[in-house]
Amino acid sequence: GAVVSQHPSWVICKSGTSVKIECRSLDFQATTMFWYRQFPKQSLMLMATSNEGSKATYEQGVEKDKFLINHASLTLSTLTVTSAHPEDSSFYICSARTRTGTDTQYFGPGTRLTVL
Amino acid sequence: KQEVTQIPAALSVPEGENLVLNCSFTDSAIYNLQWFRQDPGKGLTSLLLIQSSQREQTSGRLNASLDKSSGRSTLYIAASQPGDSATYLCAVKKGAQKLVFGQGTRLTINP
Repeated sequence: GAVVSQHPSWVICKSGTSVKIECRSLDFQATTMFWYRQFPKQSLMLMATSNEGSKATYEQGVEKDKFLINHASLTLSTLTVTSAHPEDSSFYICSARTRTGTDTQYFGPGTRLTVL
Repeated sequence: KQEVTQIPAALSVPEGENLVLNCSFTDSAIYNLQWFRQDPGKGLTSLLLIQSSQREQTSGRLNASLDKSSGRSTLYIAASQPGDSATYLCAVKKGAQKLVFGQGTRLTINP
């Protein structure tokens, strides 16, 4: 149980295009989902926290207009990287917190974004 | 601001050895601490979660300890196996929901 999926697992796009990444909780309802990015050989950095039905809360230094987050349902959150540039190339990982309110976050397998 | 540091950054040991990974954090007012495993190009797998009121947690060959007052946690791996090779991340949770991660220890177990 408590499985989180991400789609796509990897994507290559041209500079200036937008890319959408989906994060789904497959067997539980997630009132809160988190989006992280990870550069090679570095740790995870929290980008934003999204609660179902409300606007996402972005961490300092993360551009909300560039990284659009939508958490429209209890099982789906999306991250759209708008007007992507090569410096946006990274590994994006989402996690979901169960509705029961336990402290555990369940992580997705990640999405590798490469912007040419 | 909470900072989490993991030492060493990389570790390579022969199979069968017992080993210890270290994690330190600057703000001792944490809610819990969690150890994760990450395989190359993959997401995170939670290994152990220690609440702030607990001193240690065990799962199989893994034992994690927490000394909140000194801002330290250790992950002990007994009888290491090649399949244990991965990056191990610790993360602390302070208050609400946010996890703060260390940079990880890349572990290689040599057959």
